Amino acid sequence: DSGVTQTPKHLITATGQRVTLRCSPRSGDLSVYWYQQSLDQGLQFLIQYYNGEERAKGNILERFSAQQFPDLHSELNLSSLELGDSALYFCASSVDEGSTYEQYFGPGTRLTVT
Amino acid sequence: GQNIDQPTEMTATEGAIVQINCTYQTSGFNGLFWYQQHAGEAPTFLSYNVLDGLEEKGRFSSFLSRSKGYSYLLLKELQMKDSASYLCAVREGWDEKLTFGTGTRLTIIP
Repeated sequence: DSGVTQTPKHLITATGQRVTLRCSPRSGDLSVYWYQQSLDQGLQFLIQYYNGEERAKGNILERFSAQQFPDLHSELNLSSLELGDSALYFCASSVDEGSTYEQYFGPGTRLTVT
Repeated sequence: GQNIDQPTEMTATEGAIVQINCTYQTSGFNGLFWYQQHAGEAPTFLSYNVLDGLEEKGRFSSFLSRSKGYSYLLLKELQMKDSASYLCAVREGWDEKLTFGTGTRLTIIP
């Protein structure tokens, strides 16, 4: 158990819908990262927040957005869902001290768009 | 941008040693990570290298050559539970995001 929690574990929804994925980082970690993992593309970085502020952006679609709240939990919002958005979505957190930190991954949310 | 290459699949025998290679091309290299991921589960951290050389941690070791853009993960005394995907990830510059390779699926056979 990494200490990072994600809800829900599974999500099944239809095309065109909107969903929200939630992540709680490990106690004391200020950075939260979101990743998408699909079968054909591996683990893709989406976005990072540090202490409430957006810090880095990867290949995140405009239909996707995220935020980090004052209690440091984060939400990833996916809208106008398409079949290709079906994937595992992981959240990770890190202490963000120095350059040797590691990212701890949550168990993931499996999103299925039908 | 970054380009990270790893073999797609490897097979090794229980009790043996296996080496998983990773090559990368990047500007502003700032660290290389290895993660283990069992199917359907979260990646878990194995090792981190930022300077050239070998880092040893129990049965697992990781090597880095920055001039060659090359790393390998060495797994010794293989166990059946080592069957998993092994992900190489590179951090570039001071941006904390990691770019992952597509992973190497390792199968251990008796």
